Amino acid sequence: NAGVTQTPKFRILKIGQSMTLQCTQDMNHNYMYWYRQDPGMGLKLIYYSVGAGITDKGEVPNGYNVSRSTTEDFPLRLELAAPSQTSVYFCASSYPIAGGRLRSSYNEQFFGPGTRLTVL
Amino acid sequence: GESVGLHLPTLSVQEGDNSIINCAYSNSASDYFIWYKQESGKGPQFIIDIRSNMDKRQGQRVTVLLNKTVKHLSLQIAATQPGDSAVYFCAETFNDYKLSFGAGTTVTVRA
Repeated sequence: NAGVTQTPKFRILKIGQSMTLQCTQDMNHNYMYWYRQDPGMGLKLIYYSVGAGITDKGEVPNGYNVSRSTTEDFPLRLELAAPSQTSVYFCASSYPIAGGRLRSSYNEQFFGPGTRLTVL
Repeated sequence: GESVGLHLPTLSVQEGDNSIINCAYSNSASDYFIWYKQESGKGPQFIIDIRSNMDKRQGQRVTVLLNKTVKHLSLQIAATQPGDSAVYFCAETFNDYKLSFGAGTTVTVRA
């Protein structure tokens, strides 16, 4: 299993450009999350999803949008990039549904390797 | 402000010594806590978790202690190794899936 994969690894955007950060998990998890991590800081929750077709705002949702059409994919959309969105973005998944991979705690969130985004 | 934070942003430890990383939380409704390790350039990795009905939980070389009276959480790493150098985050939740993270403690292991 690949776990949680994210693309791209790095990206530089100009102010006002848009892009989609991709996130895919192959662990049959029904919960997925997007976080941003600013230098020297902890992770801030942007959006999360408890299942296909269901999304909700986290702590810092402004400037972002998400969709969840399948269990596996949870893309994050930036419509009008701003310098304040320069950050490292992490996708995570948790809570296996029937047949999914079990770990020591079903609440464990598995993280992807991150996307480093710079907006100039 | 953040509901979860760490007492010290950095910790330098001699290889072979035990490490203690502290975390204070403010939400008394939180009932589930997790410690994550983040190595440079990587995503956070689960270390150990604990529920509020427990005071202590042990894993392989790691122990988490929870003091609900003073809302304090600590992570103890036994016989610290160079591979333990990383940023350590505590996280809390009261609904089992939306986590609040602290700012992290950077642990540096001296040879």
